[in-house]
Amino acid sequence: GQQVMQIPQYQHVQEGEDFTTYCNSSTTLSNIQWYKQRPGGHPVFLIQLVKSGEVKKQKRLTFQFGEAKKNSSLHITATQTTDVGTYFCAGPQTSYDKVIFGPGTSLSVIP
Amino acid sequence: DGGITQSPKYLFRKEGQNVTLSCEQNLNHDAMYWYRQDPGQGLRLIYYSQIVNDFQKGDIAEGYSVSREKKESFPLTVTSAQKNPTAFYLCASSIASQGAQPQHFGDGTRLSIL
Repeated sequence: GQQVMQIPQYQHVQEGEDFTTYCNSSTTLSNIQWYKQRPGGHPVFLIQLVKSGEVKKQKRLTFQFGEAKKNSSLHITATQTTDVGTYFCAGPQTSYDKVIFGPGTSLSVIP
Repeated sequence: DGGITQSPKYLFRKEGQNVTLSCEQNLNHDAMYWYRQDPGQGLRLIYYSQIVNDFQKGDIAEGYSVSREKKESFPLTVTSAQKNPTAFYLCASSIASQGAQPQHFGDGTRLSIL
């Protein structure tokens, strides 16, 4: 069946450093979604990418969808302590399928 | 404010006992989902429903049951057949019946075994 993987599993950075997490699907995705879960909290939807090669920015966060629509990345510039949490990517196989979540990348930011 | 309400926040289960987790949404969403999250792990889909009176098994449905009698409600029962129920349970909903729409999550229920 379809698998969605993320690397790295954990990342520890000094505050101010950049951070990138990568998401890879075993099959082509109709779209990719990114979520953030703060420690002790619930996942919160960040963004959805639909088009091949699409790049979207949210302040210090840059999201990219690969040309083959099988991979995606989230890049955070100059991390802050408020960025701490686990970042999940998720995607369906088609627009009518349930969403498959990746295992997440846990980000720790050292002040 | 619109949102998803899960209750209770914490729940304890005795051996051989069934427990039901509540999930209510007032977002007028068609689709609803139940996920299980173990410590340090991702989200695993238990059941999902795209319309009232219909639901489908997810990846780990064994030992769980659901109902969808109302659009707003999607309760999850953890039965005694689920031998390792200790986990964080998250309910979510999405705007359309297609599963590709962004999901809104409740605050979750933490279930523990006594």
